[in-house]
Amino acid sequence: EAGVVQSPRYKIIEKKQPVAFWCNPISGHNTLYWYLQNLGQGPELLIRYENEEAVDDSQLPKDRFSAERLKGVDSTLKIQPAELGDSAVYLCASSPHLGELFFGEGSRLTVL
Amino acid sequence: GEDVEQSLFLSVREGDSSVINCTYTDSSSTYLYWYKQEPGAGLQLLTYIFSNMDMKQDQRLTVLLNKKDKHLSLRIADTQTGDSAIYFCAETGGSQGNLIFGKGTKLSVKP
Repeated sequence: EAGVVQSPRYKIIEKKQPVAFWCNPISGHNTLYWYLQNLGQGPELLIRYENEEAVDDSQLPKDRFSAERLKGVDSTLKIQPAELGDSAVYLCASSPHLGELFFGEGSRLTVL
Repeated sequence: GEDVEQSLFLSVREGDSSVINCTYTDSSSTYLYWYKQEPGAGLQLLTYIFSNMDMKQDQRLTVLLNKKDKHLSLRIADTQTGDSAIYFCAETGGSQGNLIFGKGTKLSVKP
């Protein structure tokens, strides 16, 4: 069974540039999460989807971050414009039920 | 708000037992979880315990839960070098029931 696939694995951009991350969850998992992980920290939730509906986006900085999950499968997370403090690993996870999350390898963003 | 606290580092010798501790704040958490993260990888669910249980054993892993003290521990028996990783404790917190992760404990296993 294929796991959660994320791309790109690494992205280096200059500040004020836009960036987008893509996630393909495990087939059949209706719940999809985007987490932010700073160095030396645990993952922090950005947004959670149930199918195509964002059910919890309270921690998503909506002035520069946006996300979508069209047709309830793949998802993209966008940052525009990126700031220095956005440098982190962006993790996507999918879940068949609460608590059992399957994570992708993450997309490491470096903002110069 | 919800918070999960863990010690940041643990170093053990190969073959010894490792005990990683965690305290949490949300007494309404239904489940508590342990995740493992190897370098450059995402997190992997190791085990979980239902909040009405005191102990759960799964091969080399033993989870102990003290609900009164809101204390969770993960014991790894016969620790191997392949167990070197960061271990995250997590609780289901908040009104949405999302996972709240601790900062992680980095386990180093010396040969």
